[in-house]
Formats: sequence, structure tokens, C-alpha cells
Amino acid sequence: QKEVEQDPGPLSVPEGAIVSLNCTYSNSAFQYFMWYRQYSRKGPELLMYTYSSGNKEDGRFTAQVDKSSKYISLFIRDSQPSDSATYLCAMKRSGSGGYQKVTFGTGTKLQVIP
Amino acid sequence: DAMVIQNPRYQVTQFGKPVTLSCSQTLNHNVMYWYQQKSSQAPKLLFHYYDKDFNNEADTPDNFQSRRPNTSFCFLDIRSPGLGDAAMYLCATSREARSTDTQYFGPGTRLTVL
Repeated sequence: QKEVEQDPGPLSVPEGAIVSLNCTYSNSAFQYFMWYRQYSRKGPELLMYTYSSGNKEDGRFTAQVDKSSKYISLFIRDSQPSDSATYLCAMKRSGSGGYQKVTFGTGTKLQVIP
Repeated sequence: DAMVIQNPRYQVTQFGKPVTLSCSQTLNHNVMYWYQQKSSQAPKLLFHYYDKDFNNEADTPDNFQSRRPNTSFCFLDIRSPGLGDAAMYLCATSREARSTDTQYFGPGTRLTVL
């Protein structure tokens, strides 16, 4: 079983729709949760960073963490064609030597259709 | 603008011919990471430097080496590239190695092996 599971999609939605992206994880040692956006042939760009269970909002983006269910979500309101990208969830825990260890999901490819 | 820069953006090499990928950063971060990302897969950490201390992931093949001559630069050397090494190589930095420190990614170098 992978430590982090993410549906690869692709997910196609019409412009203006609310998008829901999700990841589940199995390792309760994960403490920090991130969402990255990756455009085609580009590096990942950090979108959201959360620690505690609950919701964190930034503009059209809301990150939700449920540690009891080991489930995280990213919601995109009023989706735009420019949101078309691959969205990677990522989680951090302390690794050997105290260094952070980041585990990524495989990413969900999102296409927002005008 | 402070950033993580990778050169070249696209690299083509022949099977078995050594290749070096470059990463530089103007963030003055202590930690630099190298990830390998194959198509539709999660980024996979190869190794990282905390300052001059090199930390190799247990499953990183010996074919992959790294050098960090100073704070700003880090190189990924692939001694004898195989067809299976064709991937996007991502460099990332973080200020420190604690779980609270965010990783910032460069745009990546896409490696093709002929």
C-alpha cells in the first residue's frame, strides 16, 4: 500500500465549477500537508500549506485536513481555464536525523473547459 | 526575484554518456534537494544537502551522484544514463530541514536518453 494515494484523473470540469481534489494517507506520522500545482513541463508550485485539522482558505482555494480519517482535500471555487494543471498533494514527517521527509501523491490532472 | 534556477531546461544525452544537471538558488537556503519525476508519477527524492552534509536516500542508485560546491549551486551527475533514467529532474530548496520549512521548486530539467 502506498503511503499517499491520489486519484490521477483526468478530471474535466466546466469553467466556474467547484473542483474537489483529494488524497488519503496511511502514515499517522505525517504532520504537515501541502498542495502543489504543476503546469505541464514545469516544476511544482506551492499552493497551500496546512498543519492542523480543519480548513484553510486562500482566495479561491480551500485546503481541508481530517487527521482522524487521514484524508485531505483541496477545493477550487469558480474554476478558471488557467487552473488546468496537475495538482499534487504532499505530506511531511520527520525522517532520519530529524530531516523532513516529504511524500508526494502522484497528482490529479485537472482540465477546466471554457 | 529570488528563485531556484535549473539549467538546462531540456537535456538530451546518449545511453551511457555522463550528464550533469545544474541548479542554482538566490534564496540563500541551507538545504537543496534533487527529485526525479517520471511521467504521471510522484516526485521521488534522490538526495539532499544540508549545507555541505550529503544525505542519500537508501534506494537511490549509485549511478546518481551530487555535488554542492557552495551554498548557491548544486549539481546532479548521472554517470551512465540508462533509458530508465529519462525523467524530469527537479531541484528544490528549503531554508532549513525542519518540517515547518517549505520546499521551493525549480522549473525542472527534462532529460531524454537516446
